[in-house]
Amino acid sequence: ELKVEQNPLFLSMQEEKNYTIYCNYSTTSDRLYWYRQDPGKSLESLFVLLSNGAVKQEGRLMASLDTKARLSTLHITAAVHDLSATYFCAVTGADGLTFGKGTHLIIQP
Amino acid sequence: GAGVSQSPSNKVTEKGKDVELRCDPISGHTALYWYRQSLGQGLEFLIYFQGNSAPDKSGLPSDRFSAERTGGSVSTLTIQRTQQEDSAVYLCASSYRVGEQFFGPGTRLTVL
Repeated sequence: ELKVEQNPLFLSMQEEKNYTIYCNYSTTSDRLYWYRQDPGKSLESLFVLLSNGAVKQEGRLMASLDTKARLSTLHITAAVHDLSATYFCAVTGADGLTFGKGTHLIIQP
Repeated sequence: GAGVSQSPSNKVTEKGKDVELRCDPISGHTALYWYRQSLGQGLEFLIYFQGNSAPDKSGLPSDRFSAERTGGSVSTLTIQRTQQEDSAVYLCASSYRVGEQFFGPGTRLTVL
């Protein structure tokens, strides 16, 4: 059974600081996704990572994938309040995606 | 272009009633997924369709839950004899084959 673990599950940080969210998964997978969810909203796709060593960046967010370690990271650089949301990683399994529990991120001015 | 749509956006029902939730996937997407998200929780996989068939029904929490998809497009999730623990946001997603999933806005179900 594919398991996906995120940590931390809750993160409160100040603007302009840097931080990293970690996503570990238990079995081999060929792709990993990061999603963002704002309160009361649906999920918005951020990144799709397809291969070992893949790195993608969008604004202050950068995602990377190490398939050998079964680890993906989402790095936040110089955080701003607008990035406050819940971030989910998800890994492709036999029949679809298995999601982590999400990281609830609060960025305080 | 049009994304995944779901209806209704909100549904309040009484315990014991049946409800139907609808999902319209992105045109051309062959795979359709249903998830449930309880308040402050992650996503719980319910069921997955490839075309009209559901190869994986393992996530349905009880036999009160059923889903169908007709014409390889619209899907309906039915919950019979609703219970208070069924209260959650039900999210639908679609993808081209088993690829990146695009999510709908969800249906917030409240069972009184």
